[in-house]
Amino acid sequence: DGGITQSPKYLFRKEGQNVTLSCEQNLNHDAMYWYRQDPGQGLRLIYYSQIVNDFQKGDIAEGYSVSREKKESFPLTVTSAQKNPTAFYLCASSIGKGFTETQYFGPGTRLLVL
Amino acid sequence: AQKITQTQPGMFVQEKEAVTLDCTYDTSDQSYGLFWYKQPSSGEMIFLIYQGSYDEQNATEGRYSLNFQKARKSANLVISASQLGDSAMYFCAMRGAGGTSYGKLTFGQGTILTVHP
Repeated sequence: DGGITQSPKYLFRKEGQNVTLSCEQNLNHDAMYWYRQDPGQGLRLIYYSQIVNDFQKGDIAEGYSVSREKKESFPLTVTSAQKNPTAFYLCASSIGKGFTETQYFGPGTRLLVL
Repeated sequence: AQKITQTQPGMFVQEKEAVTLDCTYDTSDQSYGLFWYKQPSSGEMIFLIYQGSYDEQNATEGRYSLNFQKARKSANLVISASQLGDSAMYFCAMRGAGGTSYGKLTFGQGTILTVHP
């Protein structure tokens, strides 16, 4: 089945620790995205990538890093510089371009700070 | 800059009845796309329906339809014959035409829909 997978479902971070969230898609989509969702809020864009080995910062990139070495994979690292990382993280990939572009989301990862 | 406003924090509907979730938007783009997503308690964002700014007909997908009023800058979601499984958070989102071919979605704050038996 084609789709977007994220792992782990839950992740716990200790103070000062870097953690990496996985996102994989087998939809052959070019673009991939990372969003953050805080309780009762909409989504905010962290990073996105249009092609392999290229990515752009979103609205809240500070304290996060990404890589795009393969078309199928777009991992997100939450660094120790991110002071308030507790949130729900959603990865998406998209089909279409311009204003017809439609984004499809993975099941998400909940990150909690111990 | 783009902005999405969802003024209904919560809505209640009886099973089998129709419900309208409100969404207004603001953009300076001439071309744009409007989307609705459903987020059940599991957290996954499920794409429901898309409306392009140049589409003359309102979009429909099964029990979902989008009431698009361009002059009023509104894109309300109508769910017909509500089911218990429709209980979820619903987000309205916009994708503008500016910038590169790919870009972010701008989301509203969401509306929690509760369907009563």
